Amino acid sequence: EAEVAQSPRYKITEKSQAVAFWCDPISGHATLYWYRQILGQGPELLVQFQDESVVDDSQLPKDRFSAERLKGVDSTLKIQPAELGDSAMYLCASSLDRVESTEAFFGQGTRLTVV
Amino acid sequence: AQKVTQAQTEISVVEKEDVTLDCVYETRDTTYYLFWYKQPPSGELVFLIRRNSFDEQNEISGRYSWNFQKSTSSFNFTITASQVVDSAVYFCALSENTGKLIFGQGTTLQVKP
Repeated sequence: EAEVAQSPRYKITEKSQAVAFWCDPISGHATLYWYRQILGQGPELLVQFQDESVVDDSQLPKDRFSAERLKGVDSTLKIQPAELGDSAMYLCASSLDRVESTEAFFGQGTRLTVV
Repeated sequence: AQKVTQAQTEISVVEKEDVTLDCVYETRDTTYYLFWYKQPPSGELVFLIRRNSFDEQNEISGRYSWNFQKSTSSFNFTITASQVVDSAVYFCALSENTGKLIFGQGTTLQVKP
C-alpha cells in the first residue's frame, strides 16, 4: 500500500540550530501539505504545494521557516534558527489534487523537540 | 470564518458500549467537505471519511457511522460496540474546496476492557 514517507521520525535540536525535515508523497499526488501539530491540539497548515508551486503559505513563519518542492515530487521543510516554541509534530500529507478537496493521506510525522 | 469545534475533549467508555463524537463546523461557503481522521498513539493521521456538502445521506461502514446535518452544521461520528483498538484521538476537519484542512481540537477516546 502506498504511503507518505517522512524522515526523521524524531529530532532533538538545540535552540538556534537549523533543522530540516523530508517528505516523499504518494506517487502521482499533485498536492503536498506540511502541517504542524502542537501537543493537545489539531494540526494547522503551514504550507501547501500544487506540483512545485506554493499555493498557500499564509501561516508559515517566513522569517525562520522555508519549504521547497523541487521537481514537484518530494519536499523539504527547514527551520533556521529553531526556537523552543517550535517543538511540535510536523506532519506531511499528500492528495491527488486540491480541487474538490480529495482526501489527504498523512505520513507518520517528525516529532521535533527544541532544547 | 472557518471553524471546527469538537466540544468533547476526552471520552471514556467500556468495551462494547456505543459512543458518539460530536463535531460542529462553521463556514460561509456552500461547497465544502467534511472529514474524520483517527490518530493512534503512533502519531499518523488515518483517513476515515470524506463527505461533501451536497450529500446529507448518513453513512455506515462496519461499526462506524456518520450523521451529517446541515441544519445544525454538525457531522457526528458514532462507533458501535466499541473495542479497545478504537482508543485514539479523533479529529473532525473542514475544507472549503482548496484542499486545506481546518481541524478541530480533537476528542481523545479511551475504551477500557
